[in-house]
Amino acid sequence: QTVVIQEPSMSVSPGGTVTLTCGLQSASMSTNWYPGWYRQMPGQPPRAIIFSTSTRPSGVPERFSGSILGSKAALTITGALADDEGDYYCVVYRGSGISVFGGGTTLTVL
Amino acid sequence: EMRLVESGGGLVKPGGSLRLSCTLSGFTVSGNYISWVRQSQGKGLEWVSIIYTIGTTYYADSVKGRFLISKHTSDDTLFLQMNNLKPDDSGVYYCARGGWQKPFDLWGPGTRLTVSS
Repeated sequence: QTVVIQEPSMSVSPGGTVTLTCGLQSASMSTNWYPGWYRQMPGQPPRAIIFSTSTRPSGVPERFSGSILGSKAALTITGALADDEGDYYCVVYRGSGISVFGGGTTLTVL
Repeated sequence: EMRLVESGGGLVKPGGSLRLSCTLSGFTVSGNYISWVRQSQGKGLEWVSIIYTIGTTYYADSVKGRFLISKHTSDDTLFLQMNNLKPDDSGVYYCARGGWQKPFDLWGPGTRLTVSS
C-alpha cells in the first residue's frame, strides 16, 4: 500500500517563503512517481499547481515551484500572498494506473 | 470552452447502487484519460478510478469489485456505476481529466453522494 505523507498544516508570513513537502511512507520520492500539487479552496474543486515534479501549468504564477528535496517532493511558494491560503494536496502515480493523494496541507498566510 | 459536469449524486441506503455521470464538452472522452476522485466531508482527496483512451480501467483498492467505470464515446459521457455502497463511500465525487502520468488539469464541480440508512 502506498501512503503519501504531507504536513497537516503550515503557515507563512505575507511575502515570505514556505516549502510544503510530500513523502512516501516506504520509499524515497523521485521523478518516477510524477508528483503533482493541487490547491483547493473551500467549496471548489482542486486546481493543478505543479505536475510531473516541477512543471507549472499555464496561468500558475512563477512564485510556485516544485522540486525533489532529498527523499521528498517539495512545493515552494516564494513571496506568499494572502490569496495563497488553502489546502494543498500532493498526488503521485503509483503505477498500474493508480494515483494516490496525500492527506493535504492547510496553508495559512498570516 | 472545455468543461466536465458531474450528475447523478444523491442519497442511497447502504448496500444500494447508484450511477454517476460526467458530461464532457470542448474535448472528447475518447482522446483523454479521465479519472474519478472523491472527497469525504471535511477530508482529503481520494483517487477512485481511471479509464484510458483505449478503454483500460483501474480502481483504488477501496472500490475494486464494487465500482465500474465506463464511457460512451458517442456523446462524450463518462460513468461510474457504484454497487454495494457503504457509508464510507459518501462524499463529493469529481470527474477530472488526467491520471496515469498526466496531470489532473480539468475538474468538474462535483456531485454529492450520501450513503446512509
